[in-house]
Order: sequence, then C-alpha cells, then structure tokens
Amino acid sequence: AQSVTQLGSHVSVSEGALVLLRCNYSSSVPPYLFWYVQYPNQGLQLLLKYTSAATLVKGINGFEAEFKKSETSFHLTKPSAHMSDAAEYFCAVTGTASKLTFGTGTRLQVTL
Amino acid sequence: EPEVTQTPSHQVTQMGQEVILRCVPISNHLYFYWYRQILGQKVEFLVSFYNNEISEKSEIFDDQFSVERPDGSNFTLKIRSTKLEDSAMYFCASSEEAGDMTQYFGPGTRLLVL
Repeated sequence: AQSVTQLGSHVSVSEGALVLLRCNYSSSVPPYLFWYVQYPNQGLQLLLKYTSAATLVKGINGFEAEFKKSETSFHLTKPSAHMSDAAEYFCAVTGTASKLTFGTGTRLQVTL
Repeated sequence: EPEVTQTPSHQVTQMGQEVILRCVPISNHLYFYWYRQILGQKVEFLVSFYNNEISEKSEIFDDQFSVERPDGSNFTLKIRSTKLEDSAMYFCASSEEAGDMTQYFGPGTRLLVL
C-alpha cells in the first residue's frame, strides 16, 4: 500500500524567494512519485516525476524535486518564486500501473 | 501535444438521476482511470481500466458506478442514481503503459447534484 503526507496545507513565500513544498511517502514497493499542479478551476498538470532513474528530477516551470529513499521524501523546490506559481500542488505515489495516491495538497501563495 | 479531453465541463443534475461523464484518453494509451475531488479535498482514486475490464477500484466505486469503453476512443463513467455527496470534480486520466506509470489528466467535469 502507498500513502503520501504533505506537510503544510498552506505555504506563503515572497516573489523571488525559495519555494519548498514537502512530501513524504510510504510505499511497500519501489515507488514512482509525481508532483502535479492545479491552478484555480483547472485540471491537474504534471510538473515532474520520479520513476527510478535520476534522483534529482527537473520539471516544468523551473521546479525540481529530489528523491531521498533514506528519508522517504520527495520535496519540491524552486529557487525563485513567481506570482504565476500560485496554485495548489499535489504529491502522488504509485507502485503499480494502477491507482495514484495523492496527498492532501499544499496551496502556495506568492506575495509581492 | 496530445491531451485527455472530457465532456461536459459542467453538469447539474437532480438527485436520483443518471449521469454519464465522458472522456477521450490520449490515443495510444492503454490504461484509463477516473478520480474525483470533492471541493476542498484531495484527489481520490475511483477506478482503473485496462484491456476492457476494471483492474482496480476503490471503496467509493460502489454499484452505483460503472465504466465503459464503448468504442476505440471514449471512456465513460456512469453514475446510476446520483446522490448529493456525488457532487465533485471528476477527472479522467490515461497512461501509455505499465512501465511508464505517468498518468495524464483531463480538465475535469464539475458535477453538481441538487
């Protein structure tokens, strides 16, 4: 079975500041991990994924995430936040070709 | 770039009515999924579908729900007798193959049951 914990339901950063969104996972099999972004009233857009290749994964819009097996973490980072990054971010895990298990999401607010 | 499409974007229905939500997955994808997101809550898995049969379903996916791939392109979710608590955003997703694991989501259908 798989599960995801996202620490912090709301994160607020200033424009230009570092973005760090935390995700810890639990999986009984080698995990595949994903970050999705949801802009208001829109669907889920894939930001990046870890599928057992490189542990540091780069995604769209300047985001990246590092898979740390020892810490069971897959935190999402971006060096410099932009106003357009304001959205809800979901971490998800799967171990099979079946369901994704999502975290509860983190709403990112970017202030001037 | 290929994408998953869903229709309608919004649907309002009366409690007890049947609804069918439609999805067109990416054309070369083999695995299909439905998820739902109740307002303000996390995305929840409903069902996965492969090779014309359900491969996994959640506790939410009870006898009121069914899925079908009626032709080579559409994938539908039917709710036979809607309840107020079925109000949610319903997302369709598809993935190419088992090894890839990446699911691509459609824009969703917002269902409101009155």
